[in-house]
Amino acid sequence: RKEVEQDPGPFNVPEGATVAFNCTYSNSASQSFFWYRQDCRKEPKLLMSVYSSGNEDGRFTAQLNRASQYISLLIRDSKLSDSATYLCVVISIYNQGGKLIFGQGTELSVKP
Amino acid sequence: DVKVTQSSRYLVKRTGEKVFLECVQDMDHENMFWYRQDPGLGLRLIYFSYDVKMKEKGDIPEGYSVSREKKERFSLILESASTNQTSMYLCASSYEGDTEAFFGQGTRLTVV
Repeated sequence: RKEVEQDPGPFNVPEGATVAFNCTYSNSASQSFFWYRQDCRKEPKLLMSVYSSGNEDGRFTAQLNRASQYISLLIRDSKLSDSATYLCVVISIYNQGGKLIFGQGTELSVKP
Repeated sequence: DVKVTQSSRYLVKRTGEKVFLECVQDMDHENMFWYRQDPGLGLRLIYFSYDVKMKEKGDIPEGYSVSREKKERFSLILESASTNQTSMYLCASSYEGDTEAFFGQGTRLTVV
């Protein structure tokens, strides 16, 4: 079983739609969680951190459920510019360092 | 702004060559990482380092080695390049074990 698993996608949605991505992780000792965005042929960039209390940044809402080992990302009012691959990231502390493990990524395509 | 710089954007090498991929970060980050990214497989961790001269194996270390002689520089070495090492290689760094990582622009390596 992969350490971090995401919805396979691709998700094809019209502009203005609400779309949700899910991610599960297997290591209950994982400490930090993030969503990254990767545009075609570019490096991944941080979209937002994920906190137990849930957090919101404009149209984006991230949730963490430690009991179920589950992370989600909700995008409201989708824009064409939201088209990208969204990567779930989990950090597990390993010896003295943090090991960042990425999910496979979910591709989002927002159509006019 | 954090800057993570990889020495080459595109590289073509022959089978059996020894290949060096260099990565430099300018923000005094403790942790550095090497990933490879392949279609359908996502980002897979090759090696990471949490301090100078310290290294830890990731999920796919076979055929690779790393060197971190200075805090700002983390090198990935392909001892004897093979065609199955053709991939996009991404370097990243983070300040502490549980903080977000910043990526370089990637090196697309082709082994012929």
